Amino acid sequence: GAVVSQHPSRVICKSGTSVKIECRSLDFQATTMFWYRQFPKKSLMLMATSNEGSKATYEQGVEKDKFLINHASLTLSTLTVTSAHPEDSSFYICSARNPSGTSADTQYFGPGTRLTVL
Amino acid sequence: KQEVTQIPAALSVPEGENLVLNCSFTDSAIYNLQWFRQDPGKGLTSLLLIQSSQREQTSGRLNASLDKSSGRSTLYIAASQPGDSATYLCAGASNSGYALNFGKGTSLLVTP
Repeated sequence: GAVVSQHPSRVICKSGTSVKIECRSLDFQATTMFWYRQFPKKSLMLMATSNEGSKATYEQGVEKDKFLINHASLTLSTLTVTSAHPEDSSFYICSARNPSGTSADTQYFGPGTRLTVL
Repeated sequence: KQEVTQIPAALSVPEGENLVLNCSFTDSAIYNLQWFRQDPGKGLTSLLLIQSSQREQTSGRLNASLDKSSGRSTLYIAASQPGDSATYLCAGASNSGYALNFGKGTSLLVTP
């Protein structure tokens, strides 16, 4: 299947700092990427939809000024957690939607980023 | 918004058994439904995607079905193996946006 990478895989930071997470689709151009977060033993919750060249669409309850999303190219979306606090500690996972080919509409997920805010 | 429910929450079976995981969704105007596997602390691996126009998809020992009228999907795993142990997630996309709404998953343990 298609490959989506995330970097870093794990980050530990101090409260108040900002953390940037990168999501790359390696073998197809993704006009749409998604950012999810997952709490321990819980399912994935959609945070925002990221469309290349336009502003992200945030889900209700997700602060757009805290979770900055940039989708500057068809293969890269970034999520920046600004002024991180311990309650932001979570597993963040991105996905990229393949818009064409035999696997059209399939969403491919990155390996996730474990964020721990001290 | 699509609400997705998975039953059972956890399942333990001996190796070799055939098993069925259930998923239900609230909006029959579902765009597509996707089954994933997640190993502990890892990301998601896509298993099968069923478009709204399809009734089922097969890949190896896996078969997923979709019944829009009843709002149900099932994932059938034949001849289970210990390596199948993982959490299986069902997710549905509504007509707009393609964003996925996930169920809470079924944690599967296949014992040798």
